[in-house]
Amino acid sequence: EAGVAQSPRYKIIEKRQSVAFWCNPISGHATLYWYQQILGQGPKLLIQFQNNGVVDDSQLPKDRFSAERLKGVDSTLKIQPAKLEDSAVYLCASRLSTDTQYFGPGTRLTVL
Amino acid sequence: DQQVKQNSPSLSVQEGRISILNCDYTNSMFDYFLWYKKYPAEGPTFLISISSIKDKNEDGRFTVFLNKSAKHLSLHIVPSQPGDSAVYFCAAGYQGNLIFGKGTKLSVKP
Repeated sequence: EAGVAQSPRYKIIEKRQSVAFWCNPISGHATLYWYQQILGQGPKLLIQFQNNGVVDDSQLPKDRFSAERLKGVDSTLKIQPAKLEDSAVYLCASRLSTDTQYFGPGTRLTVL
Repeated sequence: DQQVKQNSPSLSVQEGRISILNCDYTNSMFDYFLWYKKYPAEGPTFLISISSIKDKNEDGRFTVFLNKSAKHLSLHIVPSQPGDSAVYFCAAGYQGNLIFGKGTKLSVKP
């Protein structure tokens, strides 16, 4: 069974530029999460989807971050415009029916 | 306000000995708990979990203990191996959402 796929793995941009990350969850997993992990911290939830609907986006900075999962499968997370403090690893995770979330390898974003 | 705390940023253990990683939580609504292992440049990998109705779950060399009254859980690795060297995250869950601790870096020395 293929795991959660994410791309790109690394991205370097300058502040005020925009960036997008892509995630393809494990086949059949209805629930998809995006997390932000800052160095030295644990992952922090940004947004949760159930199929193509948003379940929880209370911690998403909506003035600059957006995410979509139009067909209920893969998802994109966008930052526009980026700030220095957005430098982090962005992790995608998916879940079927149990409580266990399975993570992708992440995208390391550096904002200069 | 951290709901999940891993108070030891790092732990060093000799190969073959026991590693004990600790985690405390504050929210009594959490009803399941997980441990993830993370190598550099990789995403967290699920290791073991426990439901709040249990006090122990074992999987090979890994055992998780839950003390609900103390709001405390621990991960025991016996015997520890150099390949276990990684960052270990404790996570507590409720209604499909997980709250993570900051992680403990385990170093197992040959």
